Amino acid sequence: DIQMTQSPSSLSASVGDRVTITCQASPEISNFLSWYQQKPGKAPKLLIYDASKLETGVPSRFSGSGSGTHLTLTISSLQPEDVGTYFCQQYDKVPWTFGQGTKVELK
Amino acid sequence: QVQLQESGPGLVKPSQTLSLTCTVSGDSISSGGHYWSWVRQPAGQGLEWIGRISVSESTYYNPSLRSQVTMSVDTSKNQFSLKVTSVTAADTAVYYCAREPFTRQMGFSYYRGLDVWGQGTTVTVSS
Repeated sequence: DIQMTQSPSSLSASVGDRVTITCQASPEISNFLSWYQQKPGKAPKLLIYDASKLETGVPSRFSGSGSGTHLTLTISSLQPEDVGTYFCQQYDKVPWTFGQGTKVELK
Repeated sequence: QVQLQESGPGLVKPSQTLSLTCTVSGDSISSGGHYWSWVRQPAGQGLEWIGRISVSESTYYNPSLRSQVTMSVDTSKNQFSLKVTSVTAADTAVYYCAREPFTRQMGFSYYRGLDVWGQGTTVTVSS
């Protein structure tokens, strides 16, 4: 299986801060990666697919970049409603696998 | 607006079979262009992709669960289902159904993640 290692596991940031979350893939996955946001008690919500394409309706402060083994999700200006846990997921090779998650909190 | 809704027992005894159904509204399973997936999440933990099924009943099961899992689709009811046999406490989780769009070009399949999810249903394995 392709291993997805996310970092950090948690972070605390202030409103307006730039936040970056990283996923390392082993082996490499080209750009076949999606990012999800999950709020407590809710289902994950697709934010980004193909590493950098914004899902319809997702605010433009979210962006994705990278390919191969190093991929990132950036929130350009953290908002209170962005609090939650973020997961990456590879869809290069079945079985699809997820990162372990990054919990984002407000400072 | 496409919606998915999981249903099934919230409590299953060890060694028995867990059965869940996902009802799709706002989209037809028969229309094609999608796989229909199941994902689970133990409390406080990460996400595990269980597998998927297409309208033609082509399936892929995660090897970690392959011996326990069966999926099926009922186009007349616009539903797809999951069965997990011989459950243990390790199968206690929130179970989600989800839609996975794909396209085919020149013999290759292209995906874009899981774009619509059900709200999830909690299944506890306990006697």
